Amino acid sequence: GAVVSQHPSRVICKSGTSVKIECRSLDFQATTMFWYRQFPKQSLMLMATSNEGSKATYEQGVEKDKFLINHASLTLSTLTVTSAHPEDSSFYICSADQEGKTQYFGPGTRLLVL
Amino acid sequence: AQSVSQHNHHVILSEAASLELGCNYSYGGTVNLFWYVQYPGQHLQLLLKYFSGDPLVKGIKGFEAEFIKSKFSFNLRKPSVQWSDTAEYFCAVNDNFGNEKLTFGTGTRLTIIP
Repeated sequence: GAVVSQHPSRVICKSGTSVKIECRSLDFQATTMFWYRQFPKQSLMLMATSNEGSKATYEQGVEKDKFLINHASLTLSTLTVTSAHPEDSSFYICSADQEGKTQYFGPGTRLLVL
Repeated sequence: AQSVSQHNHHVILSEAASLELGCNYSYGGTVNLFWYVQYPGQHLQLLLKYFSGDPLVKGIKGFEAEFIKSKFSFNLRKPSVQWSDTAEYFCAVNDNFGNEKLTFGTGTRLTIIP
């Protein structure tokens, strides 16, 4: 149980385009999902908290207009990187919170912006 | 703000050696504590967690951790490591205020030599 999927697993795009990443909780409902960035050989940096049916809460320094988050259902949250630039290249990881206590993580999406 | 310290950045052990990875956190109130593992090329997996009760917590794959409140610590242990334990280990804390946000340590890379 407690499986979280992400799609796509990797994406390459041109600078200036937008990329959408999906995060799904497959066998449980998650009112809260989280989006992280992980830089090479570093820890996870929380970008935002995604709450079903309401606006996401962004961490300090994260541009909400650049990283659009939608949590339309209890099993799906999406992160859209708008007008992507090479500095947005990173590994994006989502997690889903089960019963308000434990986060389960997706496999991540590697984004490369050319 | 909560902070989590993992002082061992890279640990190298031979198979069958005993393991202890340190984790210290800063917040003095009630906390929930987690250890996650990230095997090469894979996503974060929950090893074990502590919410309350017995401070010695047993997790998967023979790992255990001990919560010592007076030391603000939650060290991870395994009596005899295997080559397959080679991975990155992350300690994480949330402050149990109904805020499910996790604060991660910087991670410890564990390399097991056969």
